[in-house]
Formats: sequence, C-alpha cells, structure tokens
Amino acid sequence: SQQGEEDPQALSIQEGENATMNCSYKTSINNLQWYRQNSGRGLVHLILIRSNEREKHSGRLRVTLDTSKKSSSLLITASRAADTASYFCATGAQETSGSRLTFGEGTQLTVNP
Amino acid sequence: GAVVSQHPSWVICKSGTSVKIECRSLDFQATTMFWYRQFPKQSLMLMATSNEGSKATYEQGVEKDKFLINHASLTLSTLTVTSAHPEDSSFYICSARRRGNRYEQYFGPGTRLTVT
Repeated sequence: SQQGEEDPQALSIQEGENATMNCSYKTSINNLQWYRQNSGRGLVHLILIRSNEREKHSGRLRVTLDTSKKSSSLLITASRAADTASYFCATGAQETSGSRLTFGEGTQLTVNP
Repeated sequence: GAVVSQHPSWVICKSGTSVKIECRSLDFQATTMFWYRQFPKQSLMLMATSNEGSKATYEQGVEKDKFLINHASLTLSTLTVTSAHPEDSSFYICSARRRGNRYEQYFGPGTRLTVT
C-alpha cells in the first residue's frame, strides 16, 4: 500500500527559482529516497537519506528528514527547464531486507523557461 | 554501472493473450528484483518481489496466477501477464537490487502494455 503523501501534487515555477517538494509517511522507516521520472520513462535515483540523518546535499539538491514529524523535503535550487519531471519519495521500512520501497504519490514539477 | 533494461519497451496485445516482459541487470548481479505497476499520472505500486531461484512474494491484491514472475538467474527476471484484459493496460517497471546493497534500487525504463 502507498503510505507516502506528497505536496504539492503539482508545482509550476520559473527557471532560476527554487522548488520545494514535501513528503509525509506513516510508519517507521530505515531510509527515504527521492526519485525523478520523466514522462513515460523509468525512475532515476536522486538521493538517499538514512533515518539517522537530518540533511543531505547533492549538487543542486537538498533533502531534509524529520523522523519525529515523519516528513521529508526535497529542495531543487536554481531550477532549470530540464528539471521538469515528476518527483517521488520512497520509504524503506525497518525490516531485515531493508530494500522494499513504498512510493509517495509524486509531485509534478514544471519549470518554465 | 547499475544499468537495468526492459524488453519490450512497449507492446500491444489482444485481450485473452499472454505477454512476457523481461527485466535484465546489464552490469551487475541482482539478487532481488521488484515489479511495479504505474497508471497514468499515478505513483508506482509494488506488485511483487522476486529473489533469484525462489518464488516471488506478491503484494496483497495482486493475483499470482495472473502475473507470473520468474527470476531464473541473477541478471534476469520475467513478468508474464496471462490472459490479459484491457484493465491490465499499464506501465510496468522493474527494478533490481545489487548484491551487497541493501537500500538502493536501480530501475528499468519501463514497459507500456496496451491490451485491446
């Protein structure tokens, strides 16, 4: 079952602006991951943050995790038209396998040139 | 490294026929592969998890006799949609977990199935 909720469902911004997407989840997690999907394509892994981490950076991406609030955010700075895509968070549960992912509903980001 | 391919990328079939979709890890050994289904403008829903050499574990509500999964080797898993119906039309995506990596999954490009 899907446990993640993302907001906003859709976000439209101008090139150069920052984009922030949020993800909430319900159960205890081992890790949280963010993925990007261009229309009709597979998923590209962006960043993984473990449950004992609070913030992580990768290039123009910044991810935060608040396990007390069961929420995460993805910030894309200085957005580009090529960032237009759907972004999904996915949680890995606290179980021995550690690899089963549950995806959120996704945020459709449109960056206008 | 960590490339996953799927074949075919799209397929159209008639109602009642069966369709096989292949998922291959090209440059690594995949001890676990996952099959997801995605409807338009929706999220991915996990259908089943397969480990090499053992039976797949299906998610609740997924018919194992309809969606046959075989993980015959460390680089290949197949999903066969049997007796397909128009409601099976969807985007099917596989992912693979590399041996020794507990958390990260590498996704294939997806297969668009249309049942007429």
